[in-house]
Amino acid sequence: QQQVKQSPQSLIVQKGGISIINCAYENTAFDYFPWYQQFPGKGPALLIAIRPDVSEKKEGRFTISFNKSAKQFSLHIMDSQPGDSATYFCAASSRGSQGNLIFGKGTKLSVKP
Amino acid sequence: EAGVVQSPRYKIIEKKQPVAFWCNPISGHNTLYWYLQNLGQGPELLIRYENEEAVDDSQLPKDRFSAERLKGVDSTLKIQPAELGDSAVYLCASSSGTGKGEQYFGPGTRLTVT
Repeated sequence: QQQVKQSPQSLIVQKGGISIINCAYENTAFDYFPWYQQFPGKGPALLIAIRPDVSEKKEGRFTISFNKSAKQFSLHIMDSQPGDSATYFCAASSRGSQGNLIFGKGTKLSVKP
Repeated sequence: EAGVVQSPRYKIIEKKQPVAFWCNPISGHNTLYWYLQNLGQGPELLIRYENEEAVDDSQLPKDRFSAERLKGVDSTLKIQPAELGDSAVYLCASSSGTGKGEQYFGPGTRLTVT
C-alpha cells in the first residue's frame, strides 16, 4: 500500500519557469513532510521540510505548500535552472524527522536551457 | 563537517554469495538508518538504530539480511545469501536524535547480483 503518492512521474520545464510537484498522503498521523533532491549516483539531499502547523514554507527559490484538509503538499521551484535537473522525492513521517520516512516514487525534473 | 560515509560504493557479486556494506554516520548522530532504493523508486527503510539498539527492523528480511551497530557509531548491513532481486542501492542515513534532527543520506552502495 503506497502511503505517499507523487505526481507527475516526469516534468520538463523551460529555464526560468516554475516547476510544481505534487504529493498526496493517506495517513493522518504523518507530522513531518520533507522534500529530497537526488542527482544520479548520489544520495538524496534534504531540500526543505514542513510540519502541519503551517501552510507554507519558503527557502530561496523553493516553496512547500501544505493543505492539511486535502492531505496534499507540493513543491514549487521558482525560476527553475538547468542545475535543478534531478529527481525529487517527497516523503512523510509520523514520528517527526527521526521517524521512518515514507517516500513517494519520485519526479524526474528536466530544466531546458 | 564530514557527511555520511559508505563503502564500498559499488559491489558486484554472484547470487548466493555473501556481501556486507559499511556506514559511518555524521559525528555525534546517534540515530542511524539503512534504506533500500530500487531503480526508479524512492528509498524504503530497512532498519533504524538509536545508538546501538535496533528500534525498528520490521522491514528487514531477517532470513537473509542482518545488521549491527557496534558501540553505537559505525554500522554494517549484511546479506547472506544474496539473490538476484537484491540488486539495488543501499543507502545509509543519520540524524542527531534531537527533536528537529533531519536525516542526512550517504552516497549509497550500488549492489549488482549476477
